[in-house]
Amino acid sequence: GAVVSQHPSWVICKSGTSVKIECRSLDFQATTMFWYRQFPKQSLMLMATSNEGSKATYEQGVEKDKFLINHASLTLSTLTVTSAHPEDSSFYICSAGTGERDHEQYFGPGTRLTVT
Amino acid sequence: GIQVEQSPPDLILQEGANSTLRCNFSDSVNNLQWFHQNPWGQLINLFYIPSGTKQNGRLSATTVATERYSLLYISSSQTTDSGVYFCAVAQTWGKNNAGNMLTFGGGTRLMVKP
Repeated sequence: GAVVSQHPSWVICKSGTSVKIECRSLDFQATTMFWYRQFPKQSLMLMATSNEGSKATYEQGVEKDKFLINHASLTLSTLTVTSAHPEDSSFYICSAGTGERDHEQYFGPGTRLTVT
Repeated sequence: GIQVEQSPPDLILQEGANSTLRCNFSDSVNNLQWFHQNPWGQLINLFYIPSGTKQNGRLSATTVATERYSLLYISSSQTTDSGVYFCAVAQTWGKNNAGNMLTFGGGTRLMVKP
């Protein structure tokens, strides 16, 4: 099956700093990737849709200036949490599909962010 | 938007028991997937099943799209089956075929005791 990687797997940062998370599709090209956030013991919530070569589309309530998304190539999307605060601490997961219509999504292993 | 409800929210089984997890959704979908989230947070794809029935070892799934529900069957459960099981659905969205944005249910937290 298709493989999606994320880096880093975990990160601790101080309040006010920025953190970049990478999502890569290793063995396929992904024109669209998705970023989700998961708080402890809760489900996954879609944050934004990342489109190669164009601006990301954010879900309602997600601050686009705080969560910067760049889809630089067909295999790489990045999520930058700017001026992080403790309430941004969460598990961030990306997903990608092969682009075939209505095909399944494959998820990265996630990045656990802790803001102190 | 579409609503996805999973039941039961929590389930405790003795090793060797069988179980059925349910996923109800509020509108027609083009994609339905079942995942197992392991203790490290990784989502493992179990089934891509917008309709019909599939089986993979001790696991099987059935989706009745016309009645808007899907079932995941776990037979002869093992302790390694413990974790959270998510159902997620997608509807066609927009002209650019970004229709795979998934809406997740609340999950079923399964614990299998030895």
